[in-house]
Amino acid sequence: ELKVEQNPLFLSMQEGKNYTIYCNYSTTSDRLYWYRQDPGKSLESLFVLLSNGAVKQEGRLMASLDTKARLSTLHITAAVHDLSATYFCAVDTNSGYALNFGKGTSLLVTP
Amino acid sequence: KAGVTQTPRYLIKTRGQQVTLSCSPISGHRSVSWYQQTPGQGLQFLFEYFSETQRNKGNFPGRFSGRQFSNSRSEMNVSTLELGDSALYLCASRQTTVTNEKLFFGSGTQLSVL
Repeated sequence: ELKVEQNPLFLSMQEGKNYTIYCNYSTTSDRLYWYRQDPGKSLESLFVLLSNGAVKQEGRLMASLDTKARLSTLHITAAVHDLSATYFCAVDTNSGYALNFGKGTSLLVTP
Repeated sequence: KAGVTQTPRYLIKTRGQQVTLSCSPISGHRSVSWYQQTPGQGLQFLFEYFSETQRNKGNFPGRFSGRQFSNSRSEMNVSTLELGDSALYLCASRQTTVTNEKLFFGSGTQLSVL
């Protein structure tokens, strides 16, 4: 069974600081997704990482994938309040078409 | 381009009843998948349909079923509702290109079982 672990699960950080969210998964997969969810809202796609060494950046967020280590990171640079949300990573099963989600990282950015 | 549309937005049912949720994918998307989100279990995969065929199914009891129509719209049915079925049910449609793949999620149906 594919397991996806995120850490930390809760993160409170000050505006302007940098931090990294980690996503480990237990079996081989070469597709990793990052999503954002605001309270009471649906999931918004942030990044799709499709190969080893993939790095994608959008604004203050940067995601990377190391398939050999079965690890993805979501790096936050100079956090702002608008980034407060829950961030999920998800991995496709080897059979495809089904995502296994981590528990999510609840991020709060404070002044 | 319209997004993924889920109806209804909210539902309140009682134990033992059944419920049907609807999902219309983004135009041109042929893959539709369903997920259950609860505070305790998080996001869990239910099933995925492509061209009216179920391609993958998650670890849920047979009370949970679904189908997809020729226009790619999908429905999910839960029979004999239990309190634990209270959740946000999310539908997603998949866009696949040569270089990328993306899931677009709808706003969800919030089901409360009393």
